[in-house]
Amino acid sequence: RKEVEQDPGPFNVPEGATVAFNCTYSNSASQSFFWYRQDCRKEPKLLMSVYSSGNEDGRFTAQLNRASQYISLLIRDSKLSDSATYLCVVRENTGFQKLVFGTGTRLLVSP
Amino acid sequence: EAQVTQNPRYLITVTGKKLTVTCSQNMNHEYMSWYRQDPGLGLRQIYYSMNVEVTDKGDVPEGYKVSRKEKRNFPLILESPSPNQTSLYFCASSSLRQGSNQPQHFGDGTRLSIL
Repeated sequence: RKEVEQDPGPFNVPEGATVAFNCTYSNSASQSFFWYRQDCRKEPKLLMSVYSSGNEDGRFTAQLNRASQYISLLIRDSKLSDSATYLCVVRENTGFQKLVFGTGTRLLVSP
Repeated sequence: EAQVTQNPRYLITVTGKKLTVTCSQNMNHEYMSWYRQDPGLGLRQIYYSMNVEVTDKGDVPEGYKVSRKEKRNFPLILESPSPNQTSLYFCASSSLRQGSNQPQHFGDGTRLSIL
């Protein structure tokens, strides 16, 4: 079983749609959680951290369910510019800041 | 501007010819790391460093070396590159000073092709 699993997609949605991605992680001692965005052939960029109480940043909402070991990302009112690959990232409970990356979920927003 | 700079961005070379990919950050970060990204496998950690002169293996260290002689620089060395090291490489850095929720900042990536 992969340490961090994501549906690779692609998710094809029209502009204005709401779309949700889930991610599961296997290490129950994982400590920190993030969503990164990666455009084609570019570097990953932090989209948002994920907190236990859930958090929102504009059109983006992230949720963490520690009991079920999954993380979600909700995007409301999708824009064409949201088309990218979304990486679920987990920091394990070790002393050396190791990040474990999911393989990403690809989102395509069409006009 | 805070950034992580990798060089070169693209390199095509031949098997066995030693190469170095440089990485430099200007944020005074303690932690630096190298990843490779391959289709269907996501980003995998090659080596990391917690501070100057402190380096350790990640998940896929075979065929690579690193050094951390200065805080800002963390070069990746391929002593004898082979075709299975053809990949997209990212350097990243983060601060260790403010707890575990610090994100990693990535360089633009280096696309290596080993023929």
